[in-house]
Amino acid sequence: QVQLQESGPGLVKPSETLSLTCTVSGGSISSHYWSWIRQPPGKGLEWIGYIYYSGSTNYNPSLKSRVTLSVDTSKNQFSLKLSSVTAADTAVYYCARGGSTPASWGQGTLVTVSS
Amino acid sequence: DIQMTQSPSSLSASVGDRVTITCQASQDISNYLNWYQQKPGKAPKLLIHDASNLETGVPSRFSGSGSGADFIFTISSLQPEDIATYYCQQYYNLPYTFGQGTKLEIK
Repeated sequence: QVQLQESGPGLVKPSETLSLTCTVSGGSISSHYWSWIRQPPGKGLEWIGYIYYSGSTNYNPSLKSRVTLSVDTSKNQFSLKLSSVTAADTAVYYCARGGSTPASWGQGTLVTVSS
Repeated sequence: DIQMTQSPSSLSASVGDRVTITCQASQDISNYLNWYQQKPGKAPKLLIHDASNLETGVPSRFSGSGSGADFIFTISSLQPEDIATYYCQQYYNLPYTFGQGTKLEIK
């Protein structure tokens, strides 16, 4: 059974870049789509984007200018970078397997944007 | 973007009750709809995909129906462990979008 684990700093300063990595275990990152979804505290879910193991991507237009997804098949990991963050980017960030239908999720990691 | 509107936003029901949540899309999305359950402090869990297909391992008291713009999620007999927030999600068009959620509580 595939498992996903997000990792990265829990605190990021405004205007800096948020960087998270999702490590996949119990299965190969190949031949699948991989997604990032976020949830501000007490609010609903927002789709950030997905990446195919080959590297092709699709991003939410509302974040597209600031988001970069990448994949490292040798490490069975994929990553999220979100630049020029503000307090509005404070959220629990989830990684998941699947593009249109994320079926397996990581536990999520809270990232707070604050000076 | 396609807007997803869930109703109600919150719901209180008794154990054994039949519970129904609706999700309306701002346009026709065929059957490109998923339902998720999220318990406090946990990641969402996929329950139903393609509007009506139960994910493997999900109890049969959960069901989904609908197509086009109007969808229904049903719990046939509410159990204490079903207390959670439920979200619909469309994947007909990018960006994928979620409903605002329905918080289900025990009466």
